[in-house]
Amino acid sequence: DADVTQTPRNRITKTGKRIMLECSQTKGHDRMYWYRQDPGLGLRLIYYSFDVKDINKGEISDGYSVSRQAQAKFSLSLESAIPNQTALYFCATSDSRQGNTEAFFGQGTRLTVV
Amino acid sequence: AQSVTQLDSQVPVFEEAPVELRCNYSSSVSVYLFWYVQYPNQGLQLLLKYLSGSTLVKGINGFEAEFNKSQTSFHLRKPSVHISDTAEYFCAVTYSGAGSYQLTFGKGTKLSVIP
Repeated sequence: DADVTQTPRNRITKTGKRIMLECSQTKGHDRMYWYRQDPGLGLRLIYYSFDVKDINKGEISDGYSVSRQAQAKFSLSLESAIPNQTALYFCATSDSRQGNTEAFFGQGTRLTVV
Repeated sequence: AQSVTQLDSQVPVFEEAPVELRCNYSSSVSVYLFWYVQYPNQGLQLLLKYLSGSTLVKGINGFEAEFNKSQTSFHLRKPSVHISDTAEYFCAVTYSGAGSYQLTFGKGTKLSVIP
């Protein structure tokens, strides 16, 4: 089983719909992240969480919200999806006790907004 | 603020030839540097990382990278590529001190290995 699991792996939704992407991890890491990947733009940080009570905006948080339901779970919501949110979304984790020297990524969720 | 520039968006290379993927970063503080690989339809996998110590870092699949502080570069190299190395490669940087940890990625370099 994957250490960082994202669900769903693929999703097509309509403009204006609310959608939630979920991420769970079995690594015991305290820090979790959501990134968005667009062709030619690399990965950009949407939100990050240092623990259950600490959530921070990244460089492109507009139009997104997150919830850290437990140390192992971090979900990303699009309250009202729009076509330019079509992208590949990645969840990642890191361990502050290890000096955050490596981030571990899920397999990604491919989201299409039509 | 930190940033990463990957100088080539696409690099075609013949099988068994050497390859270098270039990465430059900017940061006013000490950094950790990473190279990740993304195979088609997959997530990101760590190739190698520079934290401290020797400036030549060896990673998986025969890749290596050299940290050059004076040139703020962290170029990735492989002496002989294989078809299976066809993928997108991302350079990333983060601040090495305590506190905020945010990986900043470059825009990626697509390596295409030609038979």
